[in-house]
Amino acid sequence: AQSVTQLDSHVSVSEGTPVLLRCNYSSSYSPSLFWYVQHPNKGLQLLLKYTSAATLVKGINGFEAEFKKSETSFHLTKPSAHMSDAAEYFCVVNAKTSYDKVIFGPGTSLSVIP
Amino acid sequence: NAGVTQTPKFRVLKTGQSMTLLCAQDMNHEYMYWYRQDPGMGLRLIHYSVGEGTTAKGEVPDGYNVSRLKKQNFLLGLESAAPSQTSVYFCASSLQGSRYNEQFFGPGTRLTVL
Repeated sequence: AQSVTQLDSHVSVSEGTPVLLRCNYSSSYSPSLFWYVQHPNKGLQLLLKYTSAATLVKGINGFEAEFKKSETSFHLTKPSAHMSDAAEYFCVVNAKTSYDKVIFGPGTSLSVIP
Repeated sequence: NAGVTQTPKFRVLKTGQSMTLLCAQDMNHEYMYWYRQDPGMGLRLIHYSVGEGTTAKGEVPDGYNVSRLKKQNFLLGLESAAPSQTSVYFCASSLQGSRYNEQFFGPGTRLTVL
């Protein structure tokens, strides 16, 4: 069975400090993994995705994530937080070829303190 | 390109009333999806479509029906609304299946059922 765990429901950082949002997955198959961001009252937007190529994936707005198979993790990082990064972040796994097996994590709310 | 649009943005219903949510995309995508978002639960798939004239059930289909008569439109219907259907509904589309392809999301419809 597939599942996604986002270890923190809320993360708070100061502007200019690093961001780490944690995601662990469970899958019987080689997964595809995604991070989406949702700003208040908006739809979701893709930050980055892993689809079995390079394990270190770079996304938009300075975010990156590293796929670690041994740890079943896909943590999202950014070296320096900006006020505009305050949003909800979703880790998503798809471990089957069928389209109806996309699983969303519960989300991590990121606050950025000036 | 408008991307993915949803109509209406907000709606309040009384228990037992019916309504239809409209999703439209102008990206010529084959796949379309309806999700609901509830606090702390991420997004859950209601129904999806892999092409014009096709529909299929997702994770939480009960109480909803869908139709995809035209490639660019995906309608979500509630025949007899219940308070448990109070949620934010998101439509999404992707070029092909979601294993490797980014999903593009609409801005959401906030539905309250009294």
